[in-house]
Amino acid sequence: GQNIDQPTEMTATEGAIVQINCTYQTSGFNGLFWYQQHAGEAPTFLSYNVLDGLEEKGRFSSFLSRSKGYSYLLLKELQMKDSASYLCAVREGGGADGLTFGKGTHLIIQP
Amino acid sequence: DTAVSQTPKYLVTQMGNDKSIKCEQNLGHDTMYWYKQDSKKFLKIMFSYNNKELIINETVPNRFSPKSPDKAHLNLHINSLELGDSAVYFCATRRDRSYEQYFGPGTRLTVT
Repeated sequence: GQNIDQPTEMTATEGAIVQINCTYQTSGFNGLFWYQQHAGEAPTFLSYNVLDGLEEKGRFSSFLSRSKGYSYLLLKELQMKDSASYLCAVREGGGADGLTFGKGTHLIIQP
Repeated sequence: DTAVSQTPKYLVTQMGNDKSIKCEQNLGHDTMYWYKQDSKKFLKIMFSYNNKELIINETVPNRFSPKSPDKAHLNLHINSLELGDSAVYFCATRRDRSYEQYFGPGTRLTVT
């Protein structure tokens, strides 16, 4: 089976740092993705991890531990426009070879 | 230029009807996908299509049939629409040997 868990909702303050966690149990693993989705819009790609460790891209960083089935997305210097849903997804490979998504974390940024 | 486009953006129809959603990409990508996002915002893969090979997620009813007239298009046909088909449908594309998927703007389907 496949299971990807992330918190439903988080709240953070403008200018602060927030970490969104994701745990996964999937039949295969060929990379972990983070996507951002604003309400009523398409998901947009943020990051990709296939090896253990931290990937940094500007204000966003993503970490992966394959042995623990764990990832997090770290957002620094939060801005109001960062209010969105953040989707953790695993590419399992095989089958339809699409992405298996978690239910998303709705991040609310307060002034 | 929009990389991945979908038409229509909104579609309201009655139960039992047959409808189609179109997806077009100008990225030259090799693989195209259809995803369904339900009312709880849960995004699930439905199909992938690469080089005339269609791979279907086992949970998708056979009322759904993707059709690809050429490499730039993957359209979704839905027969005998049901209330539970109401959702936002996203098309996505990926280049071979790349990992990033690019999503279209979505089509909100409402079945009444």
